[in-house]
Amino acid sequence: QSVLTQPPSASGTPGQTVTISCSGSNSNIGSNYVSWFQQVPGTAPKLLIYWNDQWPSGVPDRFSGSKSGTSASLAISGLRSEDEADYYCATWDESLSGVVFGGGTKVTVL
Amino acid sequence: VQLVQSGGDLVQPGGSLRLSCVASQFTFSDYWMNWVRQAPGRGLEWVATIKEDGSERYYLASVRGRFTVSRDNTKNSLILQLSRLRLEDTAVYYCARGAIAGHGATRINYDSWGQGSLVTVSS
Repeated sequence: QSVLTQPPSASGTPGQTVTISCSGSNSNIGSNYVSWFQQVPGTAPKLLIYWNDQWPSGVPDRFSGSKSGTSASLAISGLRSEDEADYYCATWDESLSGVVFGGGTKVTVL
Repeated sequence: VQLVQSGGDLVQPGGSLRLSCVASQFTFSDYWMNWVRQAPGRGLEWVATIKEDGSERYYLASVRGRFTVSRDNTKNSLILQLSRLRLEDTAVYYCARGAIAGHGATRINYDSWGQGSLVTVSS
């Protein structure tokens, strides 16, 4: 059971917007920045969003992050077939003195 | 930015292993460094973090006392020493670059990752 809760799956058709939620608590999301990672199975994760809503260079702005209270979300707009992957949220947990990841959300493009 | 890993292997329960991650194309001594693992068919799990000068280290509770993260800034290398290995430690282990010096371990901007090293614990 992950400290951060994500839906196990999400799907959409090309061009649609898919939103993934990440729910935590005051000791993690409520008091720290959230990052989002994309992982295509068999490859290393890739940073998509950091500090809640910032893009690393090279990440398209179709990916956007937000945070409110103890929850965060990742929106993928203009969904493309290459967006099929697993997505993870992560943040620091003050109680655990360590990083916690969500359980991951598998995005399928229909 | 490049992180090249080595050291994954098959090891018996209770055994030890050393994972290495060599960095290039950036100033290694300016960054926090991290280890993240992924068990077969499972999600990502953070393992350990070390400050740019090695003065702070943080561990996942289940590996504390068994794993040791260290770094050699003169060789641009990050090390994870695994001991008293358990079946549940079986995973692909990734090294990842973290925040730049001046920021804390809480900034999870892991923007570059190694290719992964498979550790299999089995009798």
